[in-house]
Amino acid sequence: DIVMTQGALPNPVPSGESASITCQSSKSLLHSNGKTYLNWYLQRPGQSPQLLIYWMSTRASGVSDRFSGSGSGTDFTLKISSVEAEDVGVYYCQQFLEYPRTFGGGTKLELK
Amino acid sequence: EVQLQESGPGLVKPSQSLSLTCSVTGYSITSSYRWNWIRKFPGNKLEWMGYINSAGSTNYNPSLKSRISITRDTSKNQFFLQVNSVTTEDTATYYCAREGGSRGTYYFDYWGQGVMVTVSS
Repeated sequence: DIVMTQGALPNPVPSGESASITCQSSKSLLHSNGKTYLNWYLQRPGQSPQLLIYWMSTRASGVSDRFSGSGSGTDFTLKISSVEAEDVGVYYCQQFLEYPRTFGGGTKLELK
Repeated sequence: EVQLQESGPGLVKPSQSLSLTCSVTGYSITSSYRWNWIRKFPGNKLEWMGYINSAGSTNYNPSLKSRISITRDTSKNQFFLQVNSVTTEDTATYYCAREGGSRGTYYFDYWGQGVMVTVSS
């Protein structure tokens, strides 16, 4: 299985500041087609996870441009610029290169 | 709009079987895509359990393969999860989710609200 490892945030994050969440995979997620097979989700309190980013850097429909994804084949970053109250929750990275699909352990964002 | 809704008992005794239903509206589960079960343990860890696709084929997480079964009732547009021989380590919130996408990308785009299942005597 591909192991996904996420870093922690120095919580709480002051409102209006930026926050970066890291994720590492135990295997390169760079496909031969040049795409990187990584997704990012946000689970707000009391809600189900929602898709933010796919293919490492493509924002899902309706997602604010304050969210951006970047990285290489094994090291990834989700950046949230100007953190707002609605950004509070747990962030997950997930690989879709192969089965079983695997998720990172989650990174909690709290607002100051 | 596509909607998924889980249902099932919130409490299961150790060694018994856990059975959940996912009811889908707004899209036929036989049209396309993969229909998944994912669980979230206390402490935030998410685990993909398996899927049944639009043709009725299944794929399970090897860590659970001997204990789980995913089936469906196409007439009701529902799919089901059964986990056998449960222990307290199966205590989690269980989600059903559609794995959608196009042009080679796959992501969980629609999720149910989740159902909390506790395994306890």
